[in-house]
Amino acid sequence: EADIYQTPRYLVIGTGKKITLECSQTMGHDKMYWYQQDPGMELHLIHYSYGVNSTEKGDLSSESTVSRIRTEHFPLTLESARPSHTSQYLCASRGSWGTDTQYFGPGTRLTVL
Amino acid sequence: GENVEQHPSTLSVQEGDSAVIKCTYSDSASNYFPWYKQELGKRPQLIIDIRSNVGEKKDQRIAVTLNKTAKHFSLHITETQPEDSAVYFCAASEANTGNQFYFGTGTSLTVIP
Repeated sequence: EADIYQTPRYLVIGTGKKITLECSQTMGHDKMYWYQQDPGMELHLIHYSYGVNSTEKGDLSSESTVSRIRTEHFPLTLESARPSHTSQYLCASRGSWGTDTQYFGPGTRLTVL
Repeated sequence: GENVEQHPSTLSVQEGDSAVIKCTYSDSASNYFPWYKQELGKRPQLIIDIRSNVGEKKDQRIAVTLNKTAKHFSLHITETQPEDSAVYFCAASEANTGNQFYFGTGTSLTVIP
C-alpha cells in the first residue's frame, strides 16, 4: 500500500548526540517536507525538497540538515541534539501537480534529555 | 510569501450543534485550500479541500466555503459528534508553482456529549 513511513517512531537520546530521522514514501511523490510540531500545536516547516538533489530551508531549519539522494527517501539529521529539540517530527509528501494534497507520515516523537 | 490566519484557536460545542472555523489568506495567487484533522497522537489527515474555481464543497456533515474576493475560507461541521473532537488545520497553496503549503495555526475543537 502506498504510504509514508517514518522511523523510529519514538526516540529518547542524550544531549549532544547526532541523530537521523528516517522518512520514506512509496507514493511516487516528488515533493517532500519535514515539520516540527509540539502536540496539537502549529506545524513549523523545517526543510523541503522538490526532487532529487533539491533541498530548501524552511522557517525552522537551523541545527538540522536533510538530503535527497533518492526520490523516495528524505532523512533529517540533527548534528547535536539539545533538549529544545524535544518535539514531534512529521514527514510529508506531495505529488507534482500544484493541487495534489500533502500526505503526512505517522511522526517521530523525539525526547532529548 | 503567503500568510494564513486561523480562528478561533479553541472551540467548544455541544454535541449536535454546528462548528465553524475560519481562515484568511494574503496571497491572491493561492488557489488550493485543504483542511486537515489531527486526532490526539495521530498524523494530520485531509478531510476536505477546495479549489478556487468553486465556492463551496460538501462531504456529508462537512462543508468548506471559499470567498476569493475577501480571501477567506471556512470549514463547517454540522451535527457534531464526540469523534469530531480534534485539532483542525487549514492550509493554502498556489497551484502552478505549489511547492509549499502554508498552514494556519490550528483550532482545537471539543465536542461535549
